[in-house]
Amino acid sequence: DVKVTQSSRYLVKRTGEKVFLECVQDMDHENMFWYRQDPGLGLRLIYFSYDVKMKEKGDIPEGYSVSREKKERFSLILESASTNQTSMYLCASSSLQDGLNTGELFFGEGSRLTVL
Amino acid sequence: AQTVTQSQPEMSVQEAETVTLSCTYDTSESNYYLFWYKQPPSRQMILVIRQEAYKQQNATENRFSVNFQKAAKSFSLKISDSQLGDTAMYFCAPPTGNQFYFGTGTSLTVIP
Repeated sequence: DVKVTQSSRYLVKRTGEKVFLECVQDMDHENMFWYRQDPGLGLRLIYFSYDVKMKEKGDIPEGYSVSREKKERFSLILESASTNQTSMYLCASSSLQDGLNTGELFFGEGSRLTVL
Repeated sequence: AQTVTQSQPEMSVQEAETVTLSCTYDTSESNYYLFWYKQPPSRQMILVIRQEAYKQQNATENRFSVNFQKAAKSFSLKISDSQLGDTAMYFCAPPTGNQFYFGTGTSLTVIP
C-alpha cells in the first residue's frame, strides 16, 4: 500500500518561529502536493512539485516555501509563522500517466498547526 | 485556477436511504479525469470514485456512482443504501494538468 507520512500530527508554535512540515512517500511518485484545509474553504493548494528540485506555486503560496531535495520527500516551510497560518496541512502524492494526473491522490494524515 | 463548486455545505440522510452530492466545475481541459474524495472524521482523505471524462458511461463503485454531465460541467455523487461509515466530508476534484483542485466540500451525516 502507498503510504504518505507526515512528520507531525499536531504542532504548536509561536508567532515568528520557523516551522518545518515534513512529508515522505514510499511509492516513487513524481508529484507531491501541499494543501491547506480550512472550514468552509476546502483544500487550497499551496505548492506542488513534479520532480526533484522542481516546484510550482499553487493558489496561496504567500508566507510559505518548499523544498524537494529527494523524490520521496517534500517539505513545507513557514519562514515566520503567523496566527493566520493556523490550519490543517495535508500532504499528498500522485503518479503521472501520459503527462496527466490520471492517477489517484494519496494523502497523509495531516498536520494540525496552531500558531499562538 | 479553475472553479469548483459544491453548493451543499451540509447534508444528512437516513441510514439505508440514497443521497446525491452535487459538484460543478469549470475547466478548459479536453482530456481529463474527475474524482470524489472522502475524509472521515479525524482520518485520512481517500478516493471514493474516479470518472474518465471521455467515457459515456458513468462510473460505479459498489454503492457509489456518479452522474457526469459533460456539457453542463456537472459531476454529482450518488450514495445508495447509506451506511453510518459514510459520515464524512466529501470533496470533488476535477484535475487540470499537473494540479488537483478541490471544492469546498460537503459534510454528510448519516442518521441511524
